[in-house]
Amino acid sequence: AAGVIQSPRHLIKEKRETATLKCYPIPRHDTVYWYQQGPGQDPQFLISFYEKMQSDKGSIPDRFSAQQFSDYHSELNMSSLELGDSALYFCASSGQGYTEAFFGQGTRLTVV
Amino acid sequence: EDQVTQSPEALRLQEGESSSLNCSYTVSGLRGLFWYRQDPGKGPEFLFTLYSAGEEKEKERLKATLTKKESFLHITAPKPEDSATYLCAAGYNFNKFYFGSGTKLNVKP
Repeated sequence: AAGVIQSPRHLIKEKRETATLKCYPIPRHDTVYWYQQGPGQDPQFLISFYEKMQSDKGSIPDRFSAQQFSDYHSELNMSSLELGDSALYFCASSGQGYTEAFFGQGTRLTVV
Repeated sequence: EDQVTQSPEALRLQEGESSSLNCSYTVSGLRGLFWYRQDPGKGPEFLFTLYSAGEEKEKERLKATLTKKESFLHITAPKPEDSATYLCAAGYNFNKFYFGSGTKLNVKP
């Protein structure tokens, strides 16, 4: 069965660089969520999109932006990276009815 | 701010020793209560969604239940491969989930 695909799986960047994370939701899922999970922490909500429109916003820094494209894939753009941005970034998708929400395997971002 | 609290933080069981994990949540406006399993360095793996008090769902050795104030994940006769962190998440609208801090389960053979 198709799952949520995230790329890249691992990313190493230097401070002040820019990173772009991509998320491909399960086919026919119209809602995408982005979460950040620091070491030993629970996932923290960043932002979500429904039908290509931003639907909610959490603790996302102003240095980060995201969008959902016409094919429903989403990208999280992170600029002026800081050491504290090192974390696992997860994307999840859900379809109509909110019955299930599936997460991707995540992108591990390391800022050095 | 909506709150999700999980207990215990960590749980060590012997293989075959059944137990329950707890997730309590802010009551008003709950749309769905989700349970996930997470292995180190991996994305949360979907287990169950519960919508209303009294609802129960089962999958292999796991059974999730929901009351008006909390949810339980019952683990019957666990095996070492059930060792993982179990996360619950509450959804109050269709736009985001609030996660608890998880219960780290360790099942010893």
